[in-house]
Order: sequence, then C-alpha cells, then structure tokens
Amino acid sequence: AAGVIQSPRHLIKEKRETATLKCYPIPRHDTVYWYQQGPGQDPQFLISFYEKMQSDKGSIPDRFSAQQFSDYHSELNMSSLELGDSALYFCASSLPSWGDNYGYTFGSGTRLTVV
Amino acid sequence: AQRVTQPEKLLSVFKGAPVELKCNYSYSGSPELFWYVQYSRQRLQLLLRHISRESIKGFTADLNKGETSFHLKKPFAQEEDSAMYYCALHQTGANNLFFGTGTRLTVIP
Repeated sequence: AAGVIQSPRHLIKEKRETATLKCYPIPRHDTVYWYQQGPGQDPQFLISFYEKMQSDKGSIPDRFSAQQFSDYHSELNMSSLELGDSALYFCASSLPSWGDNYGYTFGSGTRLTVV
Repeated sequence: AQRVTQPEKLLSVFKGAPVELKCNYSYSGSPELFWYVQYSRQRLQLLLRHISRESIKGFTADLNKGETSFHLKKPFAQEEDSAMYYCALHQTGANNLFFGTGTRLTVIP
C-alpha cells in the first residue's frame, strides 16, 4: 500500500540558503501535518493543513512557510536557513481529525543539515 | 533495519478494565522507545519514554529487550484514554524516529 512520501530524504544546505521539503500524503488523505525533530528533542508540531487551508499552527518560525496544493501534497519552504534548523522534518497525513479515523500515517522524514 | 510493529489497529476495553497496547520493535542497536498519544482533533503528544520510566496518566511501559517489546499498560482504563497511541523508536546517533502504525483505543463507558 502507498505510504506517505517525503522528498528529499536528505538535504544539505548552507546558512542563509532556502530549502523546500515535499510531502505526498496517502491517497484520499486530505490533512497533512508537519513536525520538526531536532537532535535529542521531541517532535515539535509546525503546521497542518486540511483541504488546502491551514488548520493549525504550532512553533513554525516566520522564515518558514507551507502550503497544501490541489492534489493535497504539501510543501514546507524554509528561507534564511540557520544552523539550528538542522533537524528531521517529517510529515503525516490523515483523514479529517473530526472523523472516526483520525490516525496519522507518518512519512519517513527529510533530514536537513545546515552547514 | 529498524521496525516498529503495533499489531492491533483497534482495541476496545470497558472503563475500569486493564489495558495493554502492544509494541514490538526490531533494531540492532540499543533502542530508545517512546509512546505518543493523539487525542481527537489534537496534536501528537509525548506520553512516555522508556529512559525516564515515568508514569504518565497512569500509563507505564517496560522495555523488554529479550522479547523486543515495549507494551503500554494501564491497570484501570478511563474514558478520556480513548485516543490513538503510537509507539516510536529513536535511532540513536542518527536522529531518526520510526513510528508504528498506531492503535486506536476506545474505552467503553
């Protein structure tokens, strides 16, 4: 069965550069969540989308933006990268959280290293 | 390869009954394991980690390296425990977190 696809798997960028991470949800899943997990830290919720609209916002820096497209894939855009942005970014998709089947399916993550 | 297995997709128990959510893992190194919970319409939350051996909301989990298991237990289930529960394995040194597919717990009043 198709899972949540994230690309790229690994990304190395220099400080002040930009990066774009992509997440392709499971077919029919219309809700996407982004999490950031720094070294030795718990996953931090960044942002979520439902039906192409932002549905919840967490600790996402102003330098970051995200959107969900008509095919429900989502992109996380990160500008003016800092060393502290080095982390594992993973997304999850689900059916709408107010339904009966609101569980996540996680992608395998994108490892971003800022040098 | 690292793998986290939660064999039960759905689990229903009556209020006051004991509950056990199963988690098995495969990992060649020394595992660092977690349980996360997602209540309806809310974000993922850390429930407990095996390193701290804390008991959160009455839940406990013991790492059994011989059986490669990290089952989540609670002696008396409450209605507010109804949620999705995810077992996760942290790959030490590589900062990768692998999630199981989750178990939906429903506590029946």
